[in-house]
Amino acid sequence: EDQVTQSPEALRLQEGESSSLNCSYTVSGLRGLFWYRQDPGKGPEFLFTLYSAGEEKEKERLKATLTKKESFLHITAPKPEDSATYLCAAGGSQGNLIFGKGTKLSVKP
Amino acid sequence: GAVVSQHPSWVICKSGTSVKIECRSLDFQATTMFWYRQFPKQSLMLMATSNEGSKATYEQGVEKDKFLINHASLTLSTLTVTSAHPEDSSFYICSARDLQGSQYEQFFGPGTRLTVL
Repeated sequence: EDQVTQSPEALRLQEGESSSLNCSYTVSGLRGLFWYRQDPGKGPEFLFTLYSAGEEKEKERLKATLTKKESFLHITAPKPEDSATYLCAAGGSQGNLIFGKGTKLSVKP
Repeated sequence: GAVVSQHPSWVICKSGTSVKIECRSLDFQATTMFWYRQFPKQSLMLMATSNEGSKATYEQGVEKDKFLINHASLTLSTLTVTSAHPEDSSFYICSARDLQGSQYEQFFGPGTRLTVL
């Protein structure tokens, strides 16, 4: 069964304290690994798509990487405005997205 | 680009009534739209895949007669929750796939909060 697991469930950081979020997946015929940011009461906002192991993408303080079994979202020197829930989703062979439960990130000033 | 809207953003209704939620792709055409449901502190659960001009495909455990989906055009899909009950209270989110874009990228709407009293 296709599955996506994110860890940790919640992460509290001080402003400027870098860290990583993990997304492990078991999906047959992976068609991309997607990262989204979701603020409370809003829909997910697209961040990155990664298609092959070894691929990396960056946007401001965020960098996403991909291996054959997992993806990491690295947050460098986070700011309070980075506080949100970060969702990872794997693209299945049917064109669907399989979502993890998310990591709720809180960055304190 | 790639903006998806939903209407209404929130709705409160009485038990037994029906509620319609609209999902529109504003600046692109979408042959496929998806409907998700998200309960508090849970991830997005796919309910159904909506294809323009054909019947929707429902995920296992989702009642097609209760959650009616109509994908009338390349920019509009609607979800009607029929005879709503309190357990249907949730956050409903749609997404759309750009006809011209990647087969696997989806752009999400802002969601609709449904509360059934």
